[in-house]
Amino acid sequence: SQTIHQWPATLVQPVGSPLSLECTVEGTSNPNLYWYRQAAGRGLQLLFYSVGIGQISSEVPQNLSASRPQDRQFILSSKKLLLSDSGFYLCAWGGVGNTEAFFGQGTRLTVV
Amino acid sequence: QKEVEQDPGPLSVPEGAIVSLNCTYSNSAFQYFMWYRQYSRKGPELLMYTYSSGNKEDGRFTAQVDKSSKYISLFIRDSQPSDSATYLCAKKDSSNTGKLIFGQGTTLQVKP
Repeated sequence: SQTIHQWPATLVQPVGSPLSLECTVEGTSNPNLYWYRQAAGRGLQLLFYSVGIGQISSEVPQNLSASRPQDRQFILSSKKLLLSDSGFYLCAWGGVGNTEAFFGQGTRLTVV
Repeated sequence: QKEVEQDPGPLSVPEGAIVSLNCTYSNSAFQYFMWYRQYSRKGPELLMYTYSSGNKEDGRFTAQVDKSSKYISLFIRDSQPSDSATYLCAKKDSSNTGKLIFGQGTTLQVKP
């Protein structure tokens, strides 16, 4: 069966520090991968998606970047965090036909 | 107008009640719909997925789609305290890349 791992679960970082969140998927090949952000009391906003190694599409201009160095690995990064980067970050992979998405457990990022 | 609209609630019901959660959407392309359940500080969990007009049942849950009015609903029968969570509706993006557009989420509390 397919599983998705996302870490760390919580993170507190100072303004201006770098960020690296990692997500890996097991049990499937060449999945579409997604990074979403969820602000408090809000729905999910798509940040990046990837249809293959090295292929990244950005949905919204922001202080973040994404990379996909391996088929089942997706990384969210920032060189210098802003207070507005605080939020709940969720990695997801697309199911068969890329119709539904399956989510990891999320990383709660607080920038102080 | 957001492409998927959902009343954020909160919604509070007594145990055993029938719960109705609703969303509207504006873009008729790729009418694939999903309902996710999200417990506090956890990633969303896929509850149901449907693309047909009418009803789809899974245990105590029924997803209903009315394409003529662009209205989707999730009904929960015999609600339990363990159903207390945020429920997110989502629609497949028209780009066919597997991206999902989410409603804001409705917070449900089922009181014993």
